[in-house]
Amino acid sequence: QSVLTQPPSVSGAPGQGVTISCTGSSSNVGAGYDVNWYQQLPGTAPKLLIYGNTNRPSGVPDRFSGSRSGTSATLAITGLQAEDEADYYCQSYDSSLSGHNYVFGVGTRVTVL
Amino acid sequence: QVTLTESGPALVKATQTLTLTCTFSGFSLTTSGMCVSWIRQPPGKALEWLALIDWEDDKYYTPFLQTRLTISKDTSKKQVVLTMTNLDPADTATYYCAQSPNTNYDLAFTSWGQGTLVSVSS
Repeated sequence: QSVLTQPPSVSGAPGQGVTISCTGSSSNVGAGYDVNWYQQLPGTAPKLLIYGNTNRPSGVPDRFSGSRSGTSATLAITGLQAEDEADYYCQSYDSSLSGHNYVFGVGTRVTVL
Repeated sequence: QVTLTESGPALVKATQTLTLTCTFSGFSLTTSGMCVSWIRQPPGKALEWLALIDWEDDKYYTPFLQTRLTISKDTSKKQVVLTMTNLDPADTATYYCAQSPNTNYDLAFTSWGQGTLVSVSS
């Protein structure tokens, strides 16, 4: 029941930049709820990458940046490195149903060529 | 340093009840704003938030599984427990617990456990 749409995959050569979109609606991103991003390396648990749309937790390289506009959010990775090859998920809150509902995107696989 | 560790059975049968335990350290669930969630990920699929319990013992559930889930905490043991009834093979997933330092609509899942894989057989 993912209400946040992400491209299945993006790829780039080392040193290049890629962007991942996260498209929601008026009941989640468009309603002003924050978007958070997570990085999941193969076989590991997700790790918080961006919180509150644009903020990086301590230790996250500044090659990663986030933005939000309207009903969409974007994760940008510059200077792509081999270690960035992972799945990336956006997450927000959705108010379309009664009660709490924290929602994730379907995930985007980043491949470093 | 915040750590969370999930534990529970690796294999359960359909229609049975699953009980998972999250044991944490590095924070207290009596601290204002603190909360712990359960999130699952079927093999090869996306993450799905299941339930949350906060420092005031308020509990929230995904509307899609609300009737099957119960979350509870034992602050003295530093544990959060999730039970899920009437299991189905579609519940096969890695189950994670995650900490958030604030309970609001804009919370982020700041720290995660390593996850525990639960397989449901028919």
